[in-house]
Amino acid sequence: GENVEQHPSTLSVQEGDSAVIKCTYSDSASNYFPWYKQELGKRPQLIIDIRSNVGEKKDQRIAVTLNKTAKHFSLHITETQPEDSAVYFCAEPDNAGGTSYGKLTFGQGTILTVHP
Amino acid sequence: EAQVTQNPRYLITVTGKKLTVTCSQNMNHEYMSWYRQDPGLGLRQIYYSMNVEVTDKGDVPEGYKVSRKEKRNFPLILESPSPNQTSLYFCASSLSAYYNEQFFGPGTRLTVL
Repeated sequence: GENVEQHPSTLSVQEGDSAVIKCTYSDSASNYFPWYKQELGKRPQLIIDIRSNVGEKKDQRIAVTLNKTAKHFSLHITETQPEDSAVYFCAEPDNAGGTSYGKLTFGQGTILTVHP
Repeated sequence: EAQVTQNPRYLITVTGKKLTVTCSQNMNHEYMSWYRQDPGLGLRQIYYSMNVEVTDKGDVPEGYKVSRKEKRNFPLILESPSPNQTSLYFCASSLSAYYNEQFFGPGTRLTVL
């Protein structure tokens, strides 16, 4: 199976600051990297994803960057707002041999708190 | 409305009493999966299904069973629940296994006494 390490486990920032969460993966064949956001008491929801044929993808205040050489991808949130407070998860599908086997491994999660 | 539903949302039971958590999606998704969420451990995959009659183990399958007789339904069965299965459970579905957004159900909070 895959091994996904996510850091930090908690992150506290002031409103307006930037936040960065990093995930490291083990399978060099992996080529799809999603990020999910889970608000308190709610279900996880996809906020952004990236495929390995691009190095960066942006959607308003959030962006994901991918470094395939170092095998890590990061979530960047700029101009943070209190409503960004949530748990964020990275994920990596199993891609053994280039064929999807259906397994999906999530990182351990990062609790982001944005202070007003 | 496109959605994934789970039932029950909350369940308190006792050790050894068989239970089933239902999961249903109305999006004609091929892929369905079950996860458990525990503090500090993130979301761990229990079982997944690539399509009807095709199921496979995730990272933590022990003590669970699943079936996929119809495309829309993917029930999770605990034949003999134990206290270490106390957790928050999420069902999810996606168009296919790869490159696709996972749509999660609302979650089922299970307590095994």
